[in-house]
Amino acid sequence: NAGVTQTPKFQVLKTGQSMTLQCAQDMNHNSMYWYRQDPGMGLRLIYYSASEGTTDKGEVPNGYNVSRLNKREFSLRLESAAPSQTSVYFCASSASIYTEAFFGQGTRLTVV
Amino acid sequence: KQEVTQIPAALSVPEGENLVLNCSFTDSAIYNLQWFRQDPGKGLTSLLLIQSSQREQTSGRLNASLDKSSGRSTLYIAASQPGDSATYLCAVRIQGAQKLVFGQGTRLTINP
Repeated sequence: NAGVTQTPKFQVLKTGQSMTLQCAQDMNHNSMYWYRQDPGMGLRLIYYSASEGTTDKGEVPNGYNVSRLNKREFSLRLESAAPSQTSVYFCASSASIYTEAFFGQGTRLTVV
Repeated sequence: KQEVTQIPAALSVPEGENLVLNCSFTDSAIYNLQWFRQDPGKGLTSLLLIQSSQREQTSGRLNASLDKSSGRSTLYIAASQPGDSATYLCAVRIQGAQKLVFGQGTRLTINP
């Protein structure tokens, strides 16, 4: 019962460094999402992939890129990390817009 | 723009009480509404999904209701236990878009 798996769980970056957050789901879901959670701002959508081969911007895409590698995997890349990207990042997936969304355990990222 | 509000932001009650958490949303054009719980430092766990055509859903001691026309949902927790202590989030899946729009959550504490 893995569900949605995110790696790493914790990361500290220096300003300007790059990194990729990995997400994989084993539920054969079509749609995958990246959210960030910040105190006082709640959860906000960064990017999503409605189906394999497609990606679209969410509310806060600036500074990020994504890749839907295959149906299982959806990665989020920070090309040049900034302190404003310090946050907890969650990956989620769902079979369709009519079904439950399932979330991973999160990646806590600190940019110094 | 869809806005989701959860009131109160925090709630503390003694063990054994029945309680109601509230969620309101500004645009009734939704596919569904989902309730989650989030434990400190953890991911989101799906509790209930209620479709826009449904009035309520039940799972164990939890009952979620939806009044789409008035833009309100409630999560009823019966016979509360200390293990119910967590932050409860509601989210709506808006029509014409893939994303879930989240409320800020209600932090619930059940006192033994």
